[in-house]
Amino acid sequence: QQQVKQSPQSLIVQKGGISIINCAYENTAFDYFPWYQQFPGKGPALLIAIRPDVSEKKEGRFTISFNKSAKQFSLHIMDSQPGDSATYFCAASNSGNTPLVFGKGTRLSVIA
Amino acid sequence: DAGVTQSPTHLIKTRGQHVTLRCSPISGHKSVSWYQQVLGQGPQFIFQYYEKEERGRGNFPDRFSARQFPNYSSELNVNALLLGDSALYLCASSLTGAATGELFFGEGSRLTVL
Repeated sequence: QQQVKQSPQSLIVQKGGISIINCAYENTAFDYFPWYQQFPGKGPALLIAIRPDVSEKKEGRFTISFNKSAKQFSLHIMDSQPGDSATYFCAASNSGNTPLVFGKGTRLSVIA
Repeated sequence: DAGVTQSPTHLIKTRGQHVTLRCSPISGHKSVSWYQQVLGQGPQFIFQYYEKEERGRGNFPDRFSARQFPNYSSELNVNALLLGDSALYLCASSLTGAATGELFFGEGSRLTVL
């Protein structure tokens, strides 16, 4: 049973455009929703995270939007750059120490 | 400061063999987690250790085992290797054992089983 469903599987965006990646979760006990970025040959690195007490969190060009009632959250990358080309994973866990559950990933390619 | 270090970076084994993967966490981090990442998939949780005790175990067979040493480094052991064990094995450390804390991943050990 996949607890976190991520889409799309791959995404091609023009430089300067907006990249949007969506995730849906099933477990209502989840209360921590991070996004990780992974470059080829590297381990994932935390990009930005949100907790369900807010509906949006912004850090630079990266924004998480969170919809608790729909059990969905999304990552928006504004002004996408070629250096943003990587695989992005959404994940979820809870304070009861359920370990991080990852989505299947989205391969983003930003083309000039 | 050194990040999470894993060894070996690449290894090739044959079916039925045993493998030991090693991980050194960031200095000061007391929790180590192991994840399996199959090509094209997200990381899947295998084990978490905190203060040398197993904190959690994912849905993996008993062929998988791990331990954490007094210096907080960790080993992942896999016995009776199967072709399906071919994957990137990621180690992540964190300051505390909380599931809602930031995980710092190493670059992984890529295991190929022939």
